[in-house]
Amino acid sequence: DARVTQTPRHKVTEMGQEVTMRCQPILGHNTVFWYRQTMMQGLELLAYFRNRAPLDDSGMPKDRFSAEMPDATLATLKIQPSEPRDSAVYFCASGWRGDTLGHNEQFFGPGTRLTVL
Amino acid sequence: GQQLNQSPQSMFIQEGEDVSMNCTSSSIFNTWLWYKQDPGEGPVLLIALYKAGELTSNGRLTAQFGITRKDSFLNISASIPSDVGIYFCAGPNAGGTSYGKLTFGQGTILTVHP
Repeated sequence: DARVTQTPRHKVTEMGQEVTMRCQPILGHNTVFWYRQTMMQGLELLAYFRNRAPLDDSGMPKDRFSAEMPDATLATLKIQPSEPRDSAVYFCASGWRGDTLGHNEQFFGPGTRLTVL
Repeated sequence: GQQLNQSPQSMFIQEGEDVSMNCTSSSIFNTWLWYKQDPGEGPVLLIALYKAGELTSNGRLTAQFGITRKDSFLNISASIPSDVGIYFCAGPNAGGTSYGKLTFGQGTILTVHP
């Protein structure tokens, strides 16, 4: 049963601390997306990768957020330093795209619920 | 940018009733996706639509790709308590089809009373 996995599922930290969230995309998928979900803003796209290369991170606060794919099986989202307004649920999703072909479906992980005190 | 408007924003229904929700766009989409999010979980893909006029079923769920390509509908028949959750429509961004980037609707919150 192929699924996107995310760790940790829950994280409580104090303002100013570094937070790292991890995602393992579905094996064979070549696109990875990071989303943030809040009651006020809904689902916001933060960054996405294709074949491990970052294609767009315009949705991400550059001064404190960074996203990387060290290899095809791991994507990370880091916040440093964290602030209370970063409290949200962070989702990773994966899919498959070729240059001109491929589906638009994205498959979501269970999310990381982040609370910054 | 592209926007997807979902309606209604929320629904309160009795178990056994049918449910209908829709999603409209100001621009043409070539794909419509419907997701369901259970409390505390990530969105799960329910149905994908790729052709205008397409009608696709998944159990008690039926979704249609509008002929104008600017709207889509999701129907749930004979609702049960486990249908509770948030339903999202989504479609690929204009100019972003080669990247698979999606625009999501605001969601429809469904509550089913036993």
